[in-house]
Amino acid sequence: KNQVEQSPQSLIILEGKNCTLQCNYTVSPFSNLRWYKQDTGRGPVSLTIMTFSENTKSNGRYTATLDADTKQSSLHITASQLSDSASYICVVSLMNRDDKIIFGKGTRLHILP
Amino acid sequence: KAGVTQTPRYLIKTRGQQVTLSCSPISGHRSVSWYQQTPGQGLQFLFEYFSETQRNKGNFPGRFSGRQFSNSRSEMNVSTLELGDSALYLCASSETTSGEQYFGPGTRLTVT
Repeated sequence: KNQVEQSPQSLIILEGKNCTLQCNYTVSPFSNLRWYKQDTGRGPVSLTIMTFSENTKSNGRYTATLDADTKQSSLHITASQLSDSASYICVVSLMNRDDKIIFGKGTRLHILP
Repeated sequence: KAGVTQTPRYLIKTRGQQVTLSCSPISGHRSVSWYQQTPGQGLQFLFEYFSETQRNKGNFPGRFSGRQFSNSRSEMNVSTLELGDSALYLCASSETTSGEQYFGPGTRLTVT
């Protein structure tokens, strides 16, 4: 069954600290993996997108990694800021005629001052 | 370019009623997808339209339907509303069916 599992469900860290969010998937055939940031009451905004051949992608203080062999991805946030408080959603796309998309349930990140 | 817009932003309906939500994609984008987001289930795919044709449909009952117009704007309709339909409904547009999706702010539907 095609699934995307994210951990932890929620995370609380102090401002300025680093953190890493995890995404494990059992999706095949794999097309690409995206990380989205969703602020409360808003739609998700794309942070990174990686295809099978890419194992790291950065967007400012956000760095995503992908291990296609173990089917794991991580999103590392450096020097967290209060504005990083949001839900982070991992999304995996299947490579098939229907271009199906599987969403993780997200990790809720709280940054404390 | 203007982003994806959704109207209305908030809606309160009672059980049994029907509702129509609207989505205007980014100019030039021909693919529009709809999602339902609830705290317990996360984002769930409803359907995708491309050039006025439904390309994909998620596992939702027939009460959920949609359509896309020639200008790529899309509408989603939910008939015979149930309490469980209370959710944030998100629309996303992309240039192609496999391109990066850009989400709108969503419509918060509350069914009482």
